[in-house]
Amino acid sequence: DTAVSQTPKYLVTQMGNDKSIKCEQNLGHDTMYWYKQDSKKFLKIMFSYNNKELIINETVPNRFSPKSPDKAHLNLHINSLELGDSAVYFCASSQGMRDGVDEQYFGPGTRLTVT
Amino acid sequence: LAKTTQPISMDSYEGQEVNITCSHNNIATNDYITWYQQFPSQGPRFIIQGYKTKVTNEVASLFIPADRKSSTLSLPRVSLSDTAVYYCLVGDDYYKLSFGAGTTVTVRA
Repeated sequence: DTAVSQTPKYLVTQMGNDKSIKCEQNLGHDTMYWYKQDSKKFLKIMFSYNNKELIINETVPNRFSPKSPDKAHLNLHINSLELGDSAVYFCASSQGMRDGVDEQYFGPGTRLTVT
Repeated sequence: LAKTTQPISMDSYEGQEVNITCSHNNIATNDYITWYQQFPSQGPRFIIQGYKTKVTNEVASLFIPADRKSSTLSLPRVSLSDTAVYYCLVGDDYYKLSFGAGTTVTVRA
């Protein structure tokens, strides 16, 4: 069974459109995250969501908004897409420190291309 | 936030031990050191995490000196499938962290 899944895997859209990426985790974790990986392979955290508390990286434009319908899902909504939003987006989850280790589990990624 | 510095790339051969050193001079008292591995077109995968001294699991060892200003990830007897990008993270909470560019390890036959 896939621990963290994302849909779609690929997303091609035009500038100005609004799109969503879905993320689901079946690990029972309390915290979920969204990351953006750009063409230079830098992986930057965008959001962290835990027990209804949302922590936002201050550099993320407000066109990006996470929505959590329940503990197992954290979807990413993007409004008014721009060329610079093209990247691979990863969802992740974690349960905090367990047996002395705090481990994140990542989804397979969604490659977003804005034309 | 503790800034980390690691080599951009490293080359190795199958069967050799690969050691990747990460510098983190301003590590805080509560910070842990965590390493992730990422293959092309996949999400990062947790390798190992430690606070001090030495930690070993089934895939790697993590060596942390007493001053904790650096750490070394050791991959024993690498194979071609260990070719990947390896990220060093230092912090006490993931929401504060970004992965940086990592170290691209290339294992050759």
